[in-house]
Amino acid sequence: TQLLEQSPQFLSIQEGENLTVYCNSSSVFSSLQWYRQEPGEGPVLLVTVVTGGEVKKLKRLTFQFGDARKDSSLHITAAQPGDTGLYLCAGVNSGGGADGLTFGKGTHLIIQP
Amino acid sequence: DAGVIQSPRHEVTEMGQEVTLRCKPISGHNSLFWYRQTMMRGLELLIYFNNNVPIDDSGMPEDRFSAKMPNASFSTLKIQPSEPRDSAVYFCASSLEFRQGGGYTFGSGTRLTVV
Repeated sequence: TQLLEQSPQFLSIQEGENLTVYCNSSSVFSSLQWYRQEPGEGPVLLVTVVTGGEVKKLKRLTFQFGDARKDSSLHITAAQPGDTGLYLCAGVNSGGGADGLTFGKGTHLIIQP
Repeated sequence: DAGVIQSPRHEVTEMGQEVTLRCKPISGHNSLFWYRQTMMRGLELLIYFNNNVPIDDSGMPEDRFSAKMPNASFSTLKIQPSEPRDSAVYFCASSLEFRQGGGYTFGSGTRLTVV
């Protein structure tokens, strides 16, 4: 089983601050996805990163895939209350196994006005 | 498209009863996944289907759990008999070519409480 460790588990900051959350594994993934989940809803896909070292930007969110494709980070600039939610990373098995996405346990992010 | 549709949204049942959760995936998606989410364990993959065929059910906790996908537009997850430890939010998700980077589209989930 390929494990994804996310840190921090919980983060509460003030509106306007910057933050970075991390997703780490000892395994290599062929691609990695980030999702945001709001209370009472299912996770929603934010981005997929495929190439080692790849950086993708989505407005104030910057996603980076590690060179070795074992880790990823999400940086949020000038956080807004609307960014509050559970951020999940998920990896696609690179070994050709039959399992679906492996999810981390997520980072619970609260942006206080 | 209305997205992935799950029913019911909430289910409260007594221990020992049979529970059936339903899912309608996005039309055209060829993979369907059932996940269970708890605070302690996060999102756990229970089973997934590709072109209506079960591919990996290694995440199904025990024989009390079963899943079917009789056609491309419908799947069920059944728990019989249910136990309090089965209480969780159950998500269905569908995808097109997830191994090529296609993302999952999740339903809104079924919150199951077994008392």
